[in-house]
Amino acid sequence: GAVVSQHPSWVICKSGTSVKIECRSLDFQATTMFWYRQFPKQSLMLMATSNEGSKATYEQGVEKDKFLINHASLTLSTLTVTSAHPEDSSFYICSAKAPEQGSPYEQYFGPGTRLTVT
Amino acid sequence: AQSVTQLDSHVSVSEGTPVLLRCNYSSSYSPSLFWYVQHPNKGLQLLLKYTSAATLVKGINGFEAEFKKSETSFHLTKPSAHMSDAAEYFCVVSGDTSYDKVIFGPGTSLSVIP
Repeated sequence: GAVVSQHPSWVICKSGTSVKIECRSLDFQATTMFWYRQFPKQSLMLMATSNEGSKATYEQGVEKDKFLINHASLTLSTLTVTSAHPEDSSFYICSAKAPEQGSPYEQYFGPGTRLTVT
Repeated sequence: AQSVTQLDSHVSVSEGTPVLLRCNYSSSYSPSLFWYVQHPNKGLQLLLKYTSAATLVKGINGFEAEFKKSETSFHLTKPSAHMSDAAEYFCVVSGDTSYDKVIFGPGTSLSVIP
């Protein structure tokens, strides 16, 4: 149990276009989801926290108008990178928390989405 | 505020020898601690977790870690390294509420020499 999926697993887009990444909790309801980005050979950096039905909370330095997060249901959160540029190329990973799934402090991670902007 | 330090950015061991990956944390309350492994271009896999139960935690693939509050450490060990253990390892600290963020350490890259 406690499986999180992401779609797509990789995407290539042209500069200036928008890209949507989906994060789904497959077998549990995720009250809170998190979005991270990871540059090559670096650690994961938290971008934002989203709770179902409310606005996302963005970390300092993350542009909320550029990285649109929607958590419309307890099993789906989406991250839209608007007007993507090459510097947005990165590995984006989502995770989900659900207190009824094992430890309340554990996050379940998706497999990640590799975004390349040309 | 919470923080995580991984003392070694890179560790290299010979196959069959012990592995030690060091992690120290800072937290104002009782933390939960995790170790994750990430193979190249892959997602994260949970190795083990400490959530205020036994201080010696056993995980998957022969890994274990010991929570030492007096030393604020949570070092990861394995008696005998395997080639497949070569990967990036992250120590992670979390708070004690459902909505707390987790804080990732900078990671330690483990190389296993045949």
